[in-house]
Amino acid sequence: QKEVEQNSGPLSVPEGAIASLNCTYSDRGSQSFFWYRQYSGKSPELIMSIYSNGDKEDGRFTAQLNKASQYVSLLIRDSQPSDSATYLCAVNRGGGYQKVTFGTGTKLQVIP
Amino acid sequence: DVKVTQSSRYLVKRTGEKVFLECVQDMDHENMFWYRQDPGLGLRLIYFSYDVKMKEKGDIPEGYSVSREKKERFSLILESASTNQTSMYLCACRNRGIGNQPQHFGDGTRLSIL
Repeated sequence: QKEVEQNSGPLSVPEGAIASLNCTYSDRGSQSFFWYRQYSGKSPELIMSIYSNGDKEDGRFTAQLNKASQYVSLLIRDSQPSDSATYLCAVNRGGGYQKVTFGTGTKLQVIP
Repeated sequence: DVKVTQSSRYLVKRTGEKVFLECVQDMDHENMFWYRQDPGLGLRLIYFSYDVKMKEKGDIPEGYSVSREKKERFSLILESASTNQTSMYLCACRNRGIGNQPQHFGDGTRLSIL
């Protein structure tokens, strides 16, 4: 079992729809969770971080965390063609542990 | 904003060469990381450093070494480049600070070994 698992996609959604990206992790001790967006040929850029169970909203983005189910998701409302990218889920154990483990990413395509 | 600068965006080298990839950050962050990214394999950690002159192996350290002589600079060295080291290399930094901090990435170096 991979430490951080994501469906590779592509996930295709029409413009204006809600895109739902999912991620599961294996380490129950994980404390911090991050979503990065990566455009083709570019480096990852941080979109959201979440540390507590529940939802965290930032503009069109909502991160959801359920530690009991070891599940974290990213919702993108009113999807735009510019949201087309690969979305990476990243997990850190927290505390003094410095390494961050990344999933392989989900490719999102927003169809105009 | 955190600025992470990698010395080259594109680099072409020959098999057997010693290759240096440089990374500089301007935010006084303690932790620095080197990853490689390959299609279908995602980001894989090569080495990281949590302080000057300190380093730890990541998941795929074979064929690589690192150097951190100053806090702001973290170098990745390919001792004898091989074709299977053709990849996108990404440097990142992270503030160890209080709480859980994200990583900030440089623009990446696309390295081709011929």
